[in-house]
Amino acid sequence: NAGVMQNPRHLVRRRGQEARLRCSPMKGHSHVYWYRQLPEEGLKFMVYLQKENIIDESGMPKERFSAEFPKEGPSILRIQQVVRGDSAAYFCASSPDSSFYNEQFFGPGTRLTVL
Amino acid sequence: AQSVAQPEDQVNVAEGNPLTVKCTYSVSGNPYLFWYVQYPNRGLQFLLKYITGDNLVKGSYGFEAEFNKSQTSFHLKKPSALVSDSALYFCAVRDRSGNTPLVFGKGTRLSVIA
Repeated sequence: NAGVMQNPRHLVRRRGQEARLRCSPMKGHSHVYWYRQLPEEGLKFMVYLQKENIIDESGMPKERFSAEFPKEGPSILRIQQVVRGDSAAYFCASSPDSSFYNEQFFGPGTRLTVL
Repeated sequence: AQSVAQPEDQVNVAEGNPLTVKCTYSVSGNPYLFWYVQYPNRGLQFLLKYITGDNLVKGSYGFEAEFNKSQTSFHLKKPSALVSDSALYFCAVRDRSGNTPLVFGKGTRLSVIA
Protein backbone atom coordinates (compact mmCIF):
# COMPACT_ATOMS: atom_id res chain seq x y z
CA ASN A 1 0.00 0.00 0.00
CA ALA A 2 1.78 3.09 -1.23
CA GLY A 3 2.05 5.94 1.21
CA VAL A 4 1.30 9.59 0.60
CA MET A 5 3.03 10.77 -2.54
CA GLN A 6 4.16 14.30 -3.20
CA ASN A 7 5.79 15.78 -6.24
CA PRO A 8 7.98 17.39 -7.06
CA ARG A 9 10.28 16.79 -4.09
CA HIS A 10 12.22 19.95 -4.85
CA LEU A 11 10.96 22.98 -6.73
CA VAL A 12 12.87 26.12 -7.61
CA ARG A 13 11.01 29.20 -8.77
CA ARG A 14 11.94 32.79 -9.44
CA ARG A 15 10.00 35.58 -7.80
CA GLY A 16 6.71 36.15 -9.58
CA GLN A 17 6.39 32.65 -11.01
CA GLU A 18 3.76 30.09 -10.06
CA ALA A 19 4.37 26.99 -7.97
CA ARG A 20 2.14 23.92 -8.20
CA LEU A 21 2.56 21.22 -5.59
CA ARG A 22 0.87 17.85 -5.94
CA CYS A 23 -0.25 15.34 -3.36
CA SER A 24 -1.72 11.89 -3.84
CA PRO A 25 -3.17 10.55 -0.58
CA MET A 26 -2.88 7.01 0.65
CA LYS A 27 -5.19 4.55 -1.04
CA GLY A 28 -8.61 4.71 0.58
CA HIS A 29 -8.02 8.13 2.11
CA SER A 30 -10.33 10.93 1.04
CA HIS A 31 -9.15 13.65 3.43
CA VAL A 32 -6.09 15.76 2.67
CA TYR A 33 -4.28 18.35 4.76
CA TRP A 34 -1.55 20.77 3.70
CA TYR A 35 1.07 22.14 6.09
CA ARG A 36 3.98 24.53 5.73
CA GLN A 37 7.22 24.12 7.64
CA LEU A 38 9.64 27.00 7.90
CA PRO A 39 13.24 26.37 9.01
CA GLU A 40 13.53 25.64 12.74
CA GLU A 41 9.75 25.76 13.15
CA GLY A 42 6.97 23.28 13.50
CA LEU A 43 4.33 22.56 10.93
CA LYS A 44 1.65 25.17 10.40
CA PHE A 45 -1.74 24.06 9.17
CA MET A 46 -2.83 25.61 5.91
CA VAL A 47 -5.88 23.87 4.50
CA TYR A 48 -8.04 20.76 4.89
CA LEU A 49 -9.83 19.29 1.90
CA GLN A 50 -12.15 16.44 1.16
CA LYS A 51 -12.85 15.30 -2.37
CA GLU A 52 -14.13 18.36 -4.27
CA ASN A 53 -14.59 20.37 -1.08
CA ILE A 54 -12.52 22.75 1.02
CA ILE A 55 -13.41 22.04 4.62
CA ASP A 56 -11.10 24.43 6.47
CA GLU A 57 -8.79 26.99 4.91
CA SER A 58 -8.24 29.04 8.04
CA GLY A 59 -4.45 28.67 7.83
CA MET A 60 -4.07 29.66 4.22
CA PRO A 61 -2.99 33.17 3.24
CA LYS A 62 -5.86 35.03 1.65
CA GLU A 63 -3.93 36.03 -1.43
CA ARG A 64 -1.89 34.05 -3.94
CA PHE A 65 -2.56 30.64 -2.34
CA SER A 66 -5.24 28.19 -3.41
CA ALA A 67 -5.88 24.49 -3.04
CA GLU A 68 -8.08 21.92 -4.66
CA PHE A 69 -8.79 18.22 -4.42
CA PRO A 70 -10.71 17.17 -7.52
CA LYS A 71 -12.83 14.09 -7.87
CA GLU A 72 -10.09 12.51 -9.95
CA GLY A 73 -6.41 13.10 -9.51
CA PRO A 74 -4.16 14.53 -6.83
CA SER A 75 -4.68 17.46 -4.54
CA ILE A 76 -2.95 20.61 -5.78
CA LEU A 77 -1.56 23.48 -3.72
CA ARG A 78 -1.02 26.46 -5.97
CA ILE A 79 1.04 29.51 -5.11
CA GLN A 80 0.84 32.37 -7.55
CA GLN A 81 3.46 35.12 -7.92
CA VAL A 82 5.81 33.51 -5.42
CA VAL A 83 7.95 35.64 -3.12
CA ARG A 84 11.09 34.73 -1.20
CA GLY A 85 9.05 34.30 1.98
CA ASP A 86 7.23 31.38 0.39
CA SER A 87 10.43 29.33 0.53
CA ALA A 88 9.61 26.44 2.86
CA ALA A 89 8.85 22.75 2.99
CA TYR A 90 5.24 21.95 2.18
CA PHE A 91 3.84 18.73 3.53
CA CYS A 92 0.68 16.94 2.63
CA ALA A 93 -1.03 14.47 4.94
CA SER A 94 -4.04 12.23 4.53
CA SER A 95 -6.51 10.38 6.70
CA PRO A 96 -9.31 7.93 5.96
CA ASP A 97 -12.06 10.08 7.46
CA SER A 98 -12.68 13.19 9.49
CA SER A 99 -12.41 11.60 12.92
CA PHE A 100 -10.37 13.91 15.13
CA TYR A 101 -8.57 11.05 16.80
CA ASN A 102 -7.15 9.59 13.61
CA GLU A 103 -3.47 10.07 13.03
CA GLN A 104 -2.50 11.69 9.78
CA PHE A 105 -0.09 10.07 7.33
CA PHE A 106 2.47 12.43 5.87
CA GLY A 107 4.17 12.60 2.53
CA PRO A 108 7.87 13.33 2.09
CA GLY A 109 7.25 17.00 1.38
CA THR A 110 8.04 19.46 -1.39
CA ARG A 111 10.87 21.86 -0.71
CA LEU A 112 10.17 25.13 -2.46
CA THR A 113 13.00 27.55 -3.03
CA VAL A 114 12.21 31.00 -4.39
CA LEU A 115 15.16 32.80 -5.93
CA ALA B 1 -6.97 28.71 20.97
CA GLN B 2 -4.96 25.51 20.97
CA SER B 3 -1.23 25.56 21.53
CA VAL B 4 1.65 23.20 22.15
CA ALA B 5 4.92 23.98 23.89
CA GLN B 6 8.06 21.94 23.53
CA PRO B 7 10.37 23.77 25.94
CA GLU B 8 13.61 22.19 24.75
CA ASP B 9 14.97 22.86 21.28
CA GLN B 10 17.61 20.18 21.74
CA VAL B 11 17.98 17.11 23.95
CA ASN B 12 21.25 15.19 24.16
CA VAL B 13 21.32 11.67 25.56
CA ALA B 14 23.95 8.96 25.75
CA GLU B 15 23.10 5.70 24.03
CA GLY B 16 21.51 3.26 26.47
CA ASN B 17 20.26 5.98 28.80
CA PRO B 18 16.59 6.83 29.21
CA LEU B 19 15.28 9.78 27.25
CA THR B 20 12.45 12.25 27.81
CA VAL B 21 11.15 14.81 25.34
CA LYS B 22 8.79 17.27 26.99
CA CYS B 23 5.46 18.56 25.72
CA THR B 24 2.77 20.68 27.35
CA TYR B 25 -0.45 21.72 25.70
CA SER B 26 -3.36 24.10 25.99
CA VAL B 27 -6.87 23.42 24.70
CA SER B 28 -10.28 24.68 25.71
CA GLY B 29 -11.71 21.19 26.04
CA ASN B 30 -10.20 17.71 26.24
CA PRO B 31 -7.31 16.85 23.97
CA TYR B 32 -6.28 14.28 21.47
CA LEU B 33 -2.48 14.18 21.66
CA PHE B 34 0.05 12.89 19.16
CA TRP B 35 3.78 12.41 18.79
CA TYR B 36 5.48 12.37 15.39
CA VAL B 37 9.12 11.92 14.40
CA GLN B 38 10.86 13.49 11.42
CA TYR B 39 14.09 12.20 9.96
CA PRO B 40 16.20 14.45 7.69
CA ASN B 41 14.50 15.30 4.39
CA ARG B 42 11.54 13.08 5.22
CA GLY B 43 7.93 13.59 6.16
CA LEU B 44 6.59 13.07 9.64
CA GLN B 45 6.03 9.55 10.93
CA PHE B 46 3.38 8.79 13.51
CA LEU B 47 4.72 7.41 16.82
CA LEU B 48 1.77 7.27 19.20
CA LYS B 49 -1.40 9.00 20.33
CA TYR B 50 -3.58 9.49 23.36
CA ILE B 51 -7.33 9.33 22.83
CA THR B 52 -8.81 8.12 26.07
CA GLY B 53 -8.32 5.49 28.75
CA ASP B 54 -4.94 4.50 30.14
CA ASN B 55 -2.74 7.54 30.63
CA LEU B 56 0.36 5.61 29.58
CA VAL B 57 0.43 5.08 25.85
CA LYS B 58 2.85 2.77 24.09
CA GLY B 59 3.88 3.37 20.51
CA SER B 60 6.36 2.49 17.80
CA TYR B 61 10.07 1.76 18.28
CA GLY B 62 9.76 1.34 22.05
CA PHE B 63 8.50 4.86 22.70
CA GLU B 64 5.81 5.66 25.22
CA ALA B 65 4.15 8.80 26.52
CA GLU B 66 2.22 9.66 29.64
CA PHE B 67 -0.82 11.88 29.58
CA ASN B 68 -1.04 14.06 32.70
CA LYS B 69 -4.22 16.07 32.72
CA SER B 70 -3.43 18.12 35.84
CA GLN B 71 -0.08 19.21 34.40
CA THR B 72 -1.40 19.38 30.82
CA SER B 73 1.62 17.41 29.70
CA PHE B 74 2.30 14.55 27.33
CA HIS B 75 6.02 13.79 27.64
CA LEU B 76 7.61 11.27 25.30
CA LYS B 77 9.87 8.66 26.88
CA LYS B 78 12.02 5.69 26.04
CA PRO B 79 13.84 3.52 28.60
CA SER B 80 17.00 3.03 26.53
CA ALA B 81 17.97 5.40 23.72
CA LEU B 82 19.49 4.27 20.43
CA VAL B 83 21.68 6.29 18.09
CA SER B 84 19.04 5.68 15.42
CA ASP B 85 16.50 7.57 17.56
CA SER B 86 18.30 10.81 16.68
CA ALA B 87 15.71 12.91 14.86
CA LEU B 88 13.28 15.79 15.22
CA TYR B 89 10.26 15.08 17.42
CA PHE B 90 6.97 16.91 17.24
CA CYS B 91 4.11 16.94 19.72
CA ALA B 92 0.66 17.83 18.39
CA VAL B 93 -2.76 18.46 19.90
CA ARG B 94 -6.32 18.61 18.69
CA ASP B 95 -9.31 19.70 20.75
CA ARG B 96 -11.83 16.88 20.62
CA SER B 97 -14.74 19.21 21.25
CA GLY B 98 -14.35 21.49 18.26
CA ASN B 99 -13.71 21.33 14.58
CA THR B 100 -10.16 22.61 14.82
CA PRO B 101 -7.00 21.61 12.99
CA LEU B 102 -4.06 19.71 14.40
CA VAL B 103 -1.59 22.09 16.08
CA PHE B 104 2.10 21.19 16.26
CA GLY B 105 4.84 22.24 18.60
CA LYS B 106 8.07 23.67 17.22
CA GLY B 107 9.87 20.38 17.61
CA THR B 108 12.70 19.04 19.74
CA ARG B 109 15.87 17.77 18.17
CA LEU B 110 17.04 14.60 19.89
CA SER B 111 20.68 13.64 19.59
CA VAL B 112 21.73 10.25 20.92
CA ILE B 113 25.46 9.94 21.33
CA ALA B 114 27.25 6.61 21.13
